[in-house]
Amino acid sequence: EVQLLESGGGLVKPGGSLRVSCAGSGFSFNVYAMNWVRQAPGKGLEWVSAIGGSVPGTFYADSVQGRFTISRDNSKNTLFLQMNSLRDEDTAIYYCAKGAHSSSRKGGFDAWGQGTLVTVSS
Amino acid sequence: QSVLTQPPSASGTPGQRVTISCSGSSSNIRYNVVNWFQQLPGTAPKLLIFGNNQRPSGVPDRFSGSKSDTSASLAISGLQSEDEAEYYCSVWDDSLHGYIFGTGTKVTVL
Repeated sequence: EVQLLESGGGLVKPGGSLRVSCAGSGFSFNVYAMNWVRQAPGKGLEWVSAIGGSVPGTFYADSVQGRFTISRDNSKNTLFLQMNSLRDEDTAIYYCAKGAHSSSRKGGFDAWGQGTLVTVSS
Repeated sequence: QSVLTQPPSASGTPGQRVTISCSGSSSNIRYNVVNWFQQLPGTAPKLLIFGNNQRPSGVPDRFSGSKSDTSASLAISGLQSEDEAEYYCSVWDDSLHGYIFGTGTKVTVL
């Protein structure tokens, strides 16, 4: 069974930094693309970033380009999102989502974690 | 960021059929696969339909997906009370080089 467990969320001041993590199990982590998707309170889903599996490549939403960095440690089956220069509008639940293919561009997401809450406030 | 357009709400009585539309463009739906997600209140999204019209194991066959040109649809037949949820479509956009989501449709069982 695929399991994704996010951690690292919390309260951070505007302009601050935070790194969230996602531990994957139950599948060949290094093969599949991985994604971050966020949901602001009471709002819809917003894709944030993707990183390829056996097909390399990273992609970012315009709203986070240049501020967020996605990475993965396949030896530890863990996905990361480094978030810098945080803004109030980055407040959201951040979900880790497993890609359906090794390429980020194909197939979308087929499994989700439970999410970790990031709150940006002074 | 481009979005996919969905109706904000849909409703029906138990046993009825409900259809949700997802309108996109030539840079997304026309050439890429559409997935649908169900989000029950207070929970993470769950994959409902992948590859335009495929159901993961465990998803009831009451749920079906289709795609035509730049639009996609999700149909729920034999509506049940546990189908009350928010539904989102999603697809890769070749112009934006990223995934986009629909605006979401809240389904209410009357």
